[in-house]
Amino acid sequence: AQSVAQPEDQVNVAEGNPLTVKCTYSVSGNPYLFWYVQYPNRGLQFLLKYITGDNLVKGSYGFEAEFNKSQTSFHLKKPSALVSDSALYFCAVRDMRSYNFNKFYFGSGTKLNVKP
Amino acid sequence: DTAVSQTPKYLVTQMGNDKSIKCEQNLGHDTMYWYKQDSKKFLKIMFSYNNKELIINETVPNRFSPKSPDKAHLNLHINSLELGDSAVYFCASSHDPAGGLGETQYFGPGTRLLVL
Repeated sequence: AQSVAQPEDQVNVAEGNPLTVKCTYSVSGNPYLFWYVQYPNRGLQFLLKYITGDNLVKGSYGFEAEFNKSQTSFHLKKPSALVSDSALYFCAVRDMRSYNFNKFYFGSGTKLNVKP
Repeated sequence: DTAVSQTPKYLVTQMGNDKSIKCEQNLGHDTMYWYKQDSKKFLKIMFSYNNKELIINETVPNRFSPKSPDKAHLNLHINSLELGDSAVYFCASSHDPAGGLGETQYFGPGTRLLVL
């Protein structure tokens, strides 16, 4: 089955501290993985993606994610959190089966709370 | 300029009514999607169109009927609305995933549907 899991409903971190939002995946073949952020009453915004190549992917707003094939994980990280990073974060994986290329599976979302 | 726009942003209606949500993208993308986000923020794909052709049709009640008059538009018509249809509906677009494989989706702001 193609899926992603975000094991934490919520992550709390103090401003200035590093943050990690976890994501694990299950997919046939090599995964194409994405992170999106959703601010209140807004649509999802793309942060970064892993297609191939370097396991550390850098994205928007200082976020990065580390692809780990052996652990089937794609955790989102940021060295120093900002209060403005508080939002809902979604991990997604693309279905790599040729008949389902247009299908993406999203995790259940992780709410990030950054406290001043 | 708004990349992916949806109308209306809010929709409050009675059970049994028929309503439509419109989506337009000005990014020149080939592929458009409808997603449903429930009250727990879980995001699930409903439909995907590629060059006006229906590609993905998830197990959605046939009261939901998408229509793509051209590549830039994907509308969603819902017949006989039910309480359980209350959710946020997101439109998204991307280049053809079967082409570049790592195509990012761009999301609209969402339509908040409340069925009374």
